[in-house]
Amino acid sequence: AQSVSQHNHHVILSEAASLELGCNYSYGGTVNLFWYVQYPGQHLQLLLKYFSGDPLVKGIKGFEAEFIKSKFSFNLRKPSVQWSDTAEYFCAVSFKAAGNKLTFGGGTRVLVKP
Amino acid sequence: NAGVTQTPKFRILKIGQSMTLQCTQDMNHNYMYWYRQDPGMGLKLIYYSVGAGITDKGEVPNGYNVSRSTTEDFPLRLELAAPSQTSVYFCASTKEGGGYTFGSGTRLTVV
Repeated sequence: AQSVSQHNHHVILSEAASLELGCNYSYGGTVNLFWYVQYPGQHLQLLLKYFSGDPLVKGIKGFEAEFIKSKFSFNLRKPSVQWSDTAEYFCAVSFKAAGNKLTFGGGTRVLVKP
Repeated sequence: NAGVTQTPKFRILKIGQSMTLQCTQDMNHNYMYWYRQDPGMGLKLIYYSVGAGITDKGEVPNGYNVSRSTTEDFPLRLELAAPSQTSVYFCASTKEGGGYTFGSGTRLTVV
């Protein structure tokens, strides 16, 4: 079965620090890749997505992600975080061979200290 | 444009009771999904549908049922509620090649 792994469960960092969250997925042919953010008490919001083309994807709020096909990875980055980036981040992959079902990683809780 | 609408937002059930979580989308999306979110576990797929009249099991279907009589609606049924079904439930929809739209969630507690 297809799977998605996020390397860190919890990340704590200070404002202005750089953030990188790892995401790997199992091989499954054609994939679409997503990063979602969930702020405390809220539902999922799309940060960015990759379907095809330039493997470096820019999303909202200064986030970007790079698709490295050879490593089956889609890591999320932000050069300088703010306190308001405190949230849980989910990597998700839809595998075309699996009916476009969205498979989520376990999530990474990010706490940005002011 | 409402997107994906879930009702209710909150519910407390007693063990053994039944209920239906409603999900409606107005974007004419073929694909619809039900996920549950538990702390530290990410989102797990319960059931999904690729179109009206077609449903299939996801990772964690036990204790749930679904139906898809129309393109717009995809209700999730709990027949005999158990404490293990305490969770936050999200409905989502998409079309081929498109992004996913999530509802705002239903927080269910079974006591």
